[in-house]
Amino acid sequence: KAGVTQTPRYLIKTRGQQVTLSCSPISGHRSVSWYQQTPGQGLQFLFEYFSETQRNKGNFPGRFSGRQFSNSRSEMNVSTLELGDSALYLCASSKGTGNTGELFFGEGSRLTVL
Amino acid sequence: GENVEQHPSTLSVQEGDSAVIKCTYSDSASNYFPWYKQELGKRPQLIIDIRSNVGEKKDQRIAVTLNKTAKHFSLHITETQPEDSAVYFCAAPRFSGGGADGLTFGKGTHLIIQP
Repeated sequence: KAGVTQTPRYLIKTRGQQVTLSCSPISGHRSVSWYQQTPGQGLQFLFEYFSETQRNKGNFPGRFSGRQFSNSRSEMNVSTLELGDSALYLCASSKGTGNTGELFFGEGSRLTVL
Repeated sequence: GENVEQHPSTLSVQEGDSAVIKCTYSDSASNYFPWYKQELGKRPQLIIDIRSNVGEKKDQRIAVTLNKTAKHFSLHITETQPEDSAVYFCAAPRFSGGGADGLTFGKGTHLIIQP
């Protein structure tokens, strides 16, 4: 069974640009959550999608957005990039909602903003 | 929203000794408490979790205890081995107006096993 796949794995952008990250969950998993990981703040919840609907969003500005497709694949977008957006973006899939059972993480997309 | 505090941020123990990592949470409605292990350069992986209807759960050298009254839970690793070196994260459900959504993670504990 294939694991959670994230693309791209590494990317470099400049301030003001926008970026789109992709996540393919484990087959059969309907929930995809996104987390931002930085050395100082640890893992911070961005948002969760379940059956194409955003269930909730963390404390991030509106520049951070996402969506989920009918095949459960998810994308997140960050517009008008800032230096502080440099981080590892992890997505995780789960069978049910992401707060009641095991999260299966991808390897992450490491974003560097120059 | 849920607030999860994790201590210590770094823990160094001799190989073979025990390690204990503690977390506190703020929302009394929280009912699910997982622990994730992240080795250097790798993805976080669930190592053990506990639900609020039990006070302790063990899996070989790893155990988690939960004190709902005090709102804290702990990870215990016995007979530590070099492969236990990693960053460990505790977590608890986030809550919003619509109920529990996502997880709030602690900031992590870097466990170092000294040979």
